[in-house]
Amino acid sequence: AAGVIQSPRHLIKEKRETATLKCYPIPRHDTVYWYQQGPGQDPQFLISFYEKMQSDKGSIPDRFSAQQFSDYHSELNMSSLELGDSALYFCASSLKRTSGANVLTFGAGSRLTVL
Amino acid sequence: RKEVEQDPGPFNVPEGATVAFNCTYSNSASQSFFWYRQDCRKEPKLLMSVYSSGNEDGRFTAQLNRASQYISLLIRDSKLSDSATYLCVVNSYNTDKLIFGTGTRLQVFP
Repeated sequence: AAGVIQSPRHLIKEKRETATLKCYPIPRHDTVYWYQQGPGQDPQFLISFYEKMQSDKGSIPDRFSAQQFSDYHSELNMSSLELGDSALYFCASSLKRTSGANVLTFGAGSRLTVL
Repeated sequence: RKEVEQDPGPFNVPEGATVAFNCTYSNSASQSFFWYRQDCRKEPKLLMSVYSSGNEDGRFTAQLNRASQYISLLIRDSKLSDSATYLCVVNSYNTDKLIFGTGTRLQVFP
């Protein structure tokens, strides 16, 4: 079965550079989530989109922005990178349910290293 | 104080042992509860949802106590392959996002 696809899997950038991460959700899933997981930390919610509109926002820095496109893929743009942005960035997708919780499926993650 | 708290461990147990993890959450509006498993440097994967009446999936049993805002996971007959970090996860009514606990690390040894 198709899973959540993230690219690139690994990315090395220097401070103050810009990075873009891409996420392709499971086909027919309408909601995309971005999480950031620092070393030894739990995943922190950044932002989510439902039907191409931002649906919830977490601890996403102002230097970061994200959007969901007409084909439901999503991109996370990070500018003015800082050393502390080095982390695993997970994308997850789900199909919105009318009752009960959405079950999220995570991609394999994009590992960003800022030097 | 974190919204979802877990004992970080590590729990080091021999094969065949029974081990239990606990989790507390602070938001009484939390509606849905899950246990995810995460292997080192990999993505979190859903282990099981947690229902009010408690539920079992093979060697895994999850319990929820809404009054105490407490969730538990019991693993029986531990296998080497159970070694991982177990994340307690909740989400609130009418939101999409999942809130993760810090995770409890389990190491099963031969």
